[in-house]
Amino acid sequence: QKEVEQDPGPLSVPEGAIVSLNCTYSNSAFQYFMWYRQYSRKGPELLMYTYSSGNKEDGRFTAQVDKSSKYISLFIRDSQPSDSATYLCAMSADGGSQGNLIFGKGTKLSVKP
Amino acid sequence: SQTIHQWPATLVQPVGSPLSLECTVEGTSNPNLYWYRQAAGRGLQLLFYSVGIGQISSEVPQNLSASRPQDRQFILSSKKLLLSDSGFYLCAWGSGASTQYFGPGTRLTVL
Repeated sequence: QKEVEQDPGPLSVPEGAIVSLNCTYSNSAFQYFMWYRQYSRKGPELLMYTYSSGNKEDGRFTAQVDKSSKYISLFIRDSQPSDSATYLCAMSADGGSQGNLIFGKGTKLSVKP
Repeated sequence: SQTIHQWPATLVQPVGSPLSLECTVEGTSNPNLYWYRQAAGRGLQLLFYSVGIGQISSEVPQNLSASRPQDRQFILSSKKLLLSDSGFYLCAWGSGASTQYFGPGTRLTVL
C-alpha cells in the first residue's frame, strides 16, 4: 500500500461548481497536512497548511483533515477557470523539516467557463 | 518576504554532457534546502536535502550530486547526463518545523 494515494483525474467541472479533492494515507504518524497548487510548467505553490485534525478555511478554499479515517480533503467553492491546475496533497510527521514530506501524485483539475 | 530563484528555466543538453543547476533563496537565514525531480506521472521525488553549509543528504542513488557552498545557495550537478535525467527539477526551502516552499523549476531535456 502506498503511503499517500491521490486520484490523478483529470477532473473537469463547470465554472461555479464546488470541487472536492481528496487524499488517503496509511501512516498514522502524519500530523502536518498540506495542499499545493501547481500550474502547468510552474513550481508548486503552497495553498493550505494544517496541523492535526479539523478544518481550515481561506477564502474559497477549505482544507479538512480526518485522522481517524486517514483522509484529507480540499474543497473549492465557486470554482473559477483560474483554478485549473494540478493539486498536490502532502503530509509529514514533523512538518517536513528533514526532507520527509510525502506527496500524492496530484489531481489535475479543469474548470470550464 | 522570502524568494527562491532557480536558473536556468529551461535546458536542453546532450547525453554525456555535464549539468549545473543553481538555486538561491532570499529573505531567510539558514534555511533547509531541497532538490526534487518531477517526472510525468511519477510525482515528486526528493533527490537531496541540506540542513546547513556543506551538509547534504542523498535520498536516491544516481549520477547526480548536490552541493551547498553558501548558506542560501544550493547546486545540483552531474558529470555525465543520462536520458533518464530528463525532468522538471524543483528547488525548495523550509525553516524549522515549517513546510516547504518551491521555486519556479528548471525543465531539463536530455537528448
